Amino acid sequence: DQQVKQNSPSLSVQEGRISILNCDYTNSMFDYFLWYKKYPAEGPTFLISISSIKDKNEDGRFTVFLNKSAKHLSLHIVPSQPGDSAVYFCAANTGTASKLTFGTGTRLQVTL
Amino acid sequence: GAVVSQHPSWVICKSGTSVKIECRSLDFQATTMFWYRQFPKQSLMLMATSNEGSKATYEQGVEKDKFLINHASLTLSTLTVTSAHPEDSSFYICSALTDLSYEQYFGPGTRLTVT
Repeated sequence: DQQVKQNSPSLSVQEGRISILNCDYTNSMFDYFLWYKKYPAEGPTFLISISSIKDKNEDGRFTVFLNKSAKHLSLHIVPSQPGDSAVYFCAANTGTASKLTFGTGTRLQVTL
Repeated sequence: GAVVSQHPSWVICKSGTSVKIECRSLDFQATTMFWYRQFPKQSLMLMATSNEGSKATYEQGVEKDKFLINHASLTLSTLTVTSAHPEDSSFYICSALTDLSYEQYFGPGTRLTVT
C-alpha cells in the first residue's frame, strides 16, 4: 500500500524554467511533509518542509505547496539549474518524531 | 550542522557472513535513528526505528533476528546484517532525528554486496 505516491518517475526541464514535482498521499493522518533531494549512492538531503497548517512554504528557489483537501503537494523550483538534476523524494509523517513514509521518487533532469 | 556519517561506505562480503554498519550523528545527539534500505530505482523503505537505550521497532516484514540494531549511545546506532545472502545486497541508509526540528538528517549510505 503506497501511501505516498509520485506518479511521474521522471521530468525534464530546461535550465531557467520552472520545475514542478508532484506528490499525492492517501493517509489523512499525515501532518508534516518534506522534500528530499538524492544523488546516486548518497543519502537524501533535506530541501524543504511544510506543516499541514500551512499551504505554502518558500525557501529561496524552492517553494512547496500543500492542498490538504486534494491530499496533494508540489515542489516548485525556479529557476531550475543543472545542479538541480537529481532524484526528488517527497515524504510524510504523522508527528514530530515519527517515521517517514517516502514516495517513489521523481528523477529531474535540467537541460542546458 | 546536523551531519550524519556511515561506515563503511561500501562493503563486499561472502554469503553466510555478518556485516556491521555504523551510523553516527557527528554534531548533535540523536535519541531516534532510522534505518532504511533502497533497491535500485526504488523508494527508501523503512526497516526499523532505533531509540537510544531501548529495543528497536521493526517494520512489518523485516526480520529482527537477521537485521540486528543496537543504539547504545545518543550518537551511534549500528545495523548488523547476520548470515548475509545475495538478496540482502542493497543500499542501506540511516537517518537521525534531532530534538530541535522535525527533519531527519540522512547519512551517505552503505552499499552492501553479498557474493
